[in-house]
Amino acid sequence: RKEVEQDPGPFNVPEGATVAFNCTYSNSASQSFFWYRQDCRKEPKLLMSVYSSGNEDGRFTAQLNRASQYISLLIRDSKLSDSATYLCVVDTGRRALTFGSGTRLQVQP
Amino acid sequence: GAGVSQSPSNKVTEKGKDVELRCDPISGHTALYWYRQSLGQGLEFLIYFQGNSAPDKSGLPSDRFSAERTGGSVSTLTIQRTQQEDSAVYLCASSFRYRVGGLRSTDTQYFGPGTRLTVL
Repeated sequence: RKEVEQDPGPFNVPEGATVAFNCTYSNSASQSFFWYRQDCRKEPKLLMSVYSSGNEDGRFTAQLNRASQYISLLIRDSKLSDSATYLCVVDTGRRALTFGSGTRLQVQP
Repeated sequence: GAGVSQSPSNKVTEKGKDVELRCDPISGHTALYWYRQSLGQGLEFLIYFQGNSAPDKSGLPSDRFSAERTGGSVSTLTIQRTQQEDSAVYLCASSFRYRVGGLRSTDTQYFGPGTRLTVL
């Protein structure tokens, strides 16, 4: 079983739609959680950290459920520019971050 | 300010040749990481340097791969006797990661643009 699992998608949604991605992690000792965004042929960039209480940044909301070991990302009012691959990232405290394989989002006009 | 830089941006080599990839991390960052990403795949951890500690090499796929970090700053990833399956984008990241007592800081990593390696 992979340490971090994501649905690869693609998720094809129209502009203005709300879309949610989930991610599960296997290591219950994981300490920190993040969502990164990666555009085609570009490097990953931090989108937002995920806090236990849940956090929101504009149209983006991240949630953490430690009991069920999953993380979610909600995007409201999708824009064409949101099209990218979204990487779920977990810090188990052992070494480098562990990246999921990503969920691809395609927002269509 | 300057971000993480990598060179070359593209490298085409013949099977069996050695290659060196360079990473300049963000100034002051204590941790440096190498990953690789094959087409359409996720990031694969290779190696991690933290300050003056011995590097974590647990992700290196074979003994053909090695990395150094000189003076706690610039890092070089070397691949000897390259194989076609080594073709990938090699990404470097750095972070300001520290430990105070038993607590370790959250690790926000900043990535360089990557080196696209093609082995013919």
